[in-house]
Amino acid sequence: DGGITQSPKYLFRKEGQNVTLSCEQNLNHDAMYWYRQDPGQGLRLIYYSQIVNDFQKGDIAEGYSVSREKKESFPLTVTSAQKNPTAFYLCATTQGTGAMVGNQPQHFGDGTRLSIL
Amino acid sequence: QKEVEQDPGPLSVPEGAIVSLNCTYSNSAFQYFMWYRQYSRKGPELLMYTYSSGNKEDGRFTAQVDKSSKYISLFIRDSQPSDSATYLCAMKGTGGGNKLTFGTGTQLKVEL
Repeated sequence: DGGITQSPKYLFRKEGQNVTLSCEQNLNHDAMYWYRQDPGQGLRLIYYSQIVNDFQKGDIAEGYSVSREKKESFPLTVTSAQKNPTAFYLCATTQGTGAMVGNQPQHFGDGTRLSIL
Repeated sequence: QKEVEQDPGPLSVPEGAIVSLNCTYSNSAFQYFMWYRQYSRKGPELLMYTYSSGNKEDGRFTAQVDKSSKYISLFIRDSQPSDSATYLCAMKGTGGGNKLTFGTGTQLKVEL
């Protein structure tokens, strides 16, 4: 079954704890993205990666870290430096690389809801 | 002022009505325009993807882009209760990274 799989569906973080959200895709898409969704604010870009072993900061990267060791996987770590982590986190992918990426739409997983304990 | 403005609703319509959802934007560099549908506790699902000005139709959905007015619309004909969801507009330029700018979403409820 092809698609984008985010896990877990729900996650709880304690004070001072780092947590990692998983995003796996079997679409053979090159580019992957992490967004944060808060009520009334729309989606905001955290990090994105267009190829393996390379990634760029988005608009709200502070308190987050990522890695892209495999084409299929783009995990997001919410660090203890992120003081307001409660949100719905969405992973997206796009086919193509470089200039071709700009012509392609993004497709989303079903998200991880992160809350503070 | 936000780059993309979208009325949050909620918008409530009777089954069978024609629904009009809209976004305005300020960045003239935007060239690609998208509409996503998002059900509660789910990720956004791509509905329509258009380039530059004009209309695009897909079944009951029509996307319209007016770049001169910086205004995009999504029309839903013969609306169904299953159309009840939040609709997000998104747009991007031709620059690197394929970065999207989203509206805040309009919540739609189609009532029996």
